[in-house]
Amino acid sequence: DSGVTQTPKHLITATGQRVTLRCSPRSGDLSVYWYQQSLDQGLQFLIHYYNGEERAKGNILERFSAQQFPDLHSELNLSSLELGDSALYFCASSGRTRGAYGYTFGSGTRLTVV
Amino acid sequence: AQSVTQPDIHITVSEGASLELRCNYSYGATPYLFWYVQSPGQGLQLLLKYFSGDTLVQGIKGFEAEFKRSQSSFNLRKPSVHWSDAAEYFCAVVQTGANNLFFGTGTRLTVIP
Repeated sequence: DSGVTQTPKHLITATGQRVTLRCSPRSGDLSVYWYQQSLDQGLQFLIHYYNGEERAKGNILERFSAQQFPDLHSELNLSSLELGDSALYFCASSGRTRGAYGYTFGSGTRLTVV
Repeated sequence: AQSVTQPDIHITVSEGASLELRCNYSYGATPYLFWYVQSPGQGLQLLLKYFSGDTLVQGIKGFEAEFKRSQSSFNLRKPSVHWSDAAEYFCAVVQTGANNLFFGTGTRLTVIP
């Protein structure tokens, strides 16, 4: 157990729907990063939150959004889902001084859009 | 922009044989480099990282990597592979201006008895 919790582990939904993926960071970590892993795109950085504030955006679609709450958990919202959104979505957390040098990954949420 | 390239999509080795996974980076300054491993259905686990100093870095599970600036490489090695090493391996670099990692496309390792 890495200490980073992602729920749900699996999600199957239809095209056009909206889903929310949840990530609880490791205790004490202020940063949460979201990544998408798909067969054709590999591991793509989506977005980074630090202590409730958005810090960096990567290849995140406009249909996707995220937020980090006061208790530091984060949610990734995916809307108007398309077949191509099927992927493994990871979050990682890190402490204030570790940044990218100290990622801890969760085990991911596998999203299947049918 | 920085990037990492893993030229080998899939490698097969026999158990007990040595292993080298290749990673080439493109970066203007001294890069911060990482190797991660992903077992099937699992998240990513950090094997080792290089920031500066000694160019030979020791990691977990008996892995090591050598930073070679002249070749822009950070290859991962293990002297004797175990069946449990079968997994996907990712090289990564820190992206400037942000705090996120930029990953290579990965190398899938198959270990045969």
